[in-house]
Amino acid sequence: GAGVSQTPSNKVTEKGKYVELRCDPISGHTALYWYRQSLGQGPEFLIYFQGTGAADDSGLPNDRFFAVRPEGSVSTLKIQRTERGDSAVYLCASSLSVTANYGYTFGSGTRLTVV
Amino acid sequence: QKEVEQNSGPLSVPEGAIASLNCTYSDRGSQSFFWYRQYSGKSPELIMFIYSNGDKEDGRFTAQLNKASQYVSLLIRDSQPSDSATYLCAVNYFSGGYNKLIFGAGTRLAVHP
Repeated sequence: GAGVSQTPSNKVTEKGKYVELRCDPISGHTALYWYRQSLGQGPEFLIYFQGTGAADDSGLPNDRFFAVRPEGSVSTLKIQRTERGDSAVYLCASSLSVTANYGYTFGSGTRLTVV
Repeated sequence: QKEVEQNSGPLSVPEGAIASLNCTYSDRGSQSFFWYRQYSGKSPELIMFIYSNGDKEDGRFTAQLNKASQYVSLLIRDSQPSDSATYLCAVNYFSGGYNKLIFGAGTRLAVHP
């Protein structure tokens, strides 16, 4: 597609529920990143995919968070047993260059609210 | 722990003035640096990147890099109310064969008429 697409744009869920957030990167971009942004903070790195594999998942806060990218394009971030502290904007970005030397293009984000 | 530090602001400047935004980073090995603009409720938008020491100009924007001091700055000349946004500094860290951008918390800029 022309840009990075994220769905849904907003998600409200109850504490303890499971949620999936989807990211469709720019066509041809092999590098895909997930970030989380809380109010008043910069984006916080969660996980990086190069192709189908998670090359760096060091930013995932705990084992309730998991992400997949089975065909090297669309990625899904999965959060189990959601907690109120998970409320944030989840941003996806993609990059043509594996070195990210030209920066990323971000999607419009998914605003997750856990009530 | 890789860190990117920015003054949170708000930085308030009058229309037409120069806005100066600053950023320091902790990893001496970093090679590429980025400035993103983020309007309220929107996602970050890349406005400039810089790799070499010195200045890089693009229209009203100038990025400045000093690797010895681990310091990056962004100057906005002839500031306009439409420049009012949060400016995020990002540093490209290389670890384990892969790269990722680490962001500062951002500086909020307010340009008043």
